[in-house]
Amino acid sequence: AQKVTQAQTEISVVEKEDVTLDCVYETRDTTYYLFWYKQPPSGELVFLIRRNSFDEQNEISGRYSWNFQKSTSSFNFTITASQVVDSAVYFCALRLYNTDKLIFGTGTRLQVFP
Amino acid sequence: SQTIHQWPATLVQPVGSPLSLECTVEGTSNPNLYWYRQAAGRGLQLLFYSVGIGQISSEVPQNLSASRPQDRQFILSSKKLLLSDSGFYLCAWRVGATNEKLFFGSGTQLSVL
Repeated sequence: AQKVTQAQTEISVVEKEDVTLDCVYETRDTTYYLFWYKQPPSGELVFLIRRNSFDEQNEISGRYSWNFQKSTSSFNFTITASQVVDSAVYFCALRLYNTDKLIFGTGTRLQVFP
Repeated sequence: SQTIHQWPATLVQPVGSPLSLECTVEGTSNPNLYWYRQAAGRGLQLLFYSVGIGQISSEVPQNLSASRPQDRQFILSSKKLLLSDSGFYLCAWRVGATNEKLFFGSGTQLSVL
């Protein structure tokens, strides 16, 4: 069975600190996709990144970076020099190839204080 | 550009009352449409998805049903709400190959009292 675990329920940091959100997934399939979404207080989910299982290259987008490691089934998300606007709930998700089902973790609430 | 509309934003309903949440997508055709529910501390759970008009797949047996009367319209319904139906409901859409992004609406906060 597939599963996504976000063990950190809530993280609080002070502005400009770096913070890493953990995501561990479980699947026996060899082809799959991993996602991160941001849910600000407004509620709707905002797509951040998609990674396919064949591409383990780490990705950086501005202050955001993602570390995908198949050996540990992890897809961690780091925010560098956090800002108050980064405060949100962040979801990690998994989808198997050729399916429409996106399996979400329970989310990590990040609070960045000024 | 594509947009997704979901309403109402909040809803308070008594137990046993019916429910109808509507979601429409603009600017695209033949999207895959999804209904998710977010319960407190439980992440997002896929309820239904649809790959075309009249085609509904149910992921979790429950008190809810979904319908897709038009290409870009997706409706979530219940004949009699339960307390456990309370939660945040999100509609989403996707177009293209399986590896495309999923776009979410702004959600409906449903409180069943």
